Amino acid sequence: QVQLVQSGPELKKPGASVKVSCKTSGYNFRTYGVAWVRQAPGQGLEWMGWISGYNGDTKYTERLQGRVTLTRDTSTDTVYLEMRGLKSDDTAVYYCARDQLVAAAMDYWGQGTLVIVSS
Amino acid sequence: EIVMTQSPGTLSVSPGERVTLSCRASQSVRSNLAWHQQKPGQAPRLLIFGATSRAPGIPARFSGSGFGTEFTLTISSLQSEDYAVYYCQQYSDWPPVTFGQGTRLDI
Repeated sequence: QVQLVQSGPELKKPGASVKVSCKTSGYNFRTYGVAWVRQAPGQGLEWMGWISGYNGDTKYTERLQGRVTLTRDTSTDTVYLEMRGLKSDDTAVYYCARDQLVAAAMDYWGQGTLVIVSS
Repeated sequence: EIVMTQSPGTLSVSPGERVTLSCRASQSVRSNLAWHQQKPGQAPRLLIFGATSRAPGIPARFSGSGFGTEFTLTISSLQSEDYAVYYCQQYSDWPPVTFGQGTRLDI
């Protein structure tokens, strides 16, 4: 069955970086993309970016461009989200989700990773 | 960026009732519209894609309609497990993909 399993919670200080992993299984990694979506406490869903499992092509929201990098490891079918220059309002649950080779309806979601940014 | 607006923000409903949730796009997204359900402490779950197609395993009481800028999610007879927040999502013009702010169903 399709699974996306994310790494554990993180506590970071302002200005630090964080790297969250999303290990996929149960499908052909190279024929799908993976999107990242975050949710601040009590708030809605915010799309952050997308990476192609096929060729590693990436797209990002302009709002976070320059602070976020998505990468993939095809030997382990794992996708990584790295975020730099963390601020307190980056505190959120970060989700990865399976997507298509162009953005579409995300059909399987990881369990979420809580990232807290606090001094 | 396409702005998605959902209404109402919160809806109080009783089990067995028919429920209609609305989502409006600031410009046409054709049928590139999905609905997700999110329960407290859980990841979202895909309900509807392509504006009208149910995702695998989703009960038939959930249906989607609409095209262009106006969309509706209907729950024909609300069950206790349907109390959740519902988000619409457009994937027509990206980046970025955008979500509505959500509609919460309360008892």
